[in-house]
Amino acid sequence: GAVVSQHPSRVICKSGTSVKIECRSLDFQATTMFWYRQFPKKSLMLMATSNEGSKATYEQGVEKDKFLINHASLTLSTLTVTSAHPEDSSFYICSARYSGSNEQFFGPGTRLTVL
Amino acid sequence: RKEVEQDPGPFNVPEGATVAFNCTYSNSASQSFFWYRQDCRKEPKLLMSVYSSGNEDGRFTAQLNRASQYISLLIRDSKLSDSATYLCVVHSWGKLQFGAGTQVVVTP
Repeated sequence: GAVVSQHPSRVICKSGTSVKIECRSLDFQATTMFWYRQFPKKSLMLMATSNEGSKATYEQGVEKDKFLINHASLTLSTLTVTSAHPEDSSFYICSARYSGSNEQFFGPGTRLTVL
Repeated sequence: RKEVEQDPGPFNVPEGATVAFNCTYSNSASQSFFWYRQDCRKEPKLLMSVYSSGNEDGRFTAQLNRASQYISLLIRDSKLSDSATYLCVVHSWGKLQFGAGTQVVVTP
């Protein structure tokens, strides 16, 4: 149990376009979802925390207008990278947590390459 | 100063040998601690939680020293499949703080 999926697994786009990444909890209801970014040989950095039905809480230094997060249901959160630039190229990973638990279940990640 | 610091390695370990490495954390109020394993270009996967009294899971032993704010992981009888990056993760106030990982390479 506790499976989280992400789609797409890999995306290549041109500079200036927007990219949407989906994170789904397949067999549980995720009251909270987290979005992380990982650069090569670096640690996962938390970008934002989203609770179903409310606005996401962004970490310091993360632009909320650039990284739009929507957590419209208990099984789906989306991250949209708007007007992507090459420096946004990274590995984006989501995780999900159900109510009453501290454990986070990670999605398989999305590798974004902006040309 | 980083919240969670790890020796990046790589630790090159002959198959069958023992390897151990540490991680230090800066927030003394951290509530729980974990080791995750991350394979190249994959998501992190929970290896084990770390308890105050120390705990073992098969060939893996984790220790926590709250006074000195460090966590350790020991792998006995290393297998080729243990080659991965091991992430030290600290849970503080609802958030997970990740170390950059320690790379372990087990060689035949």
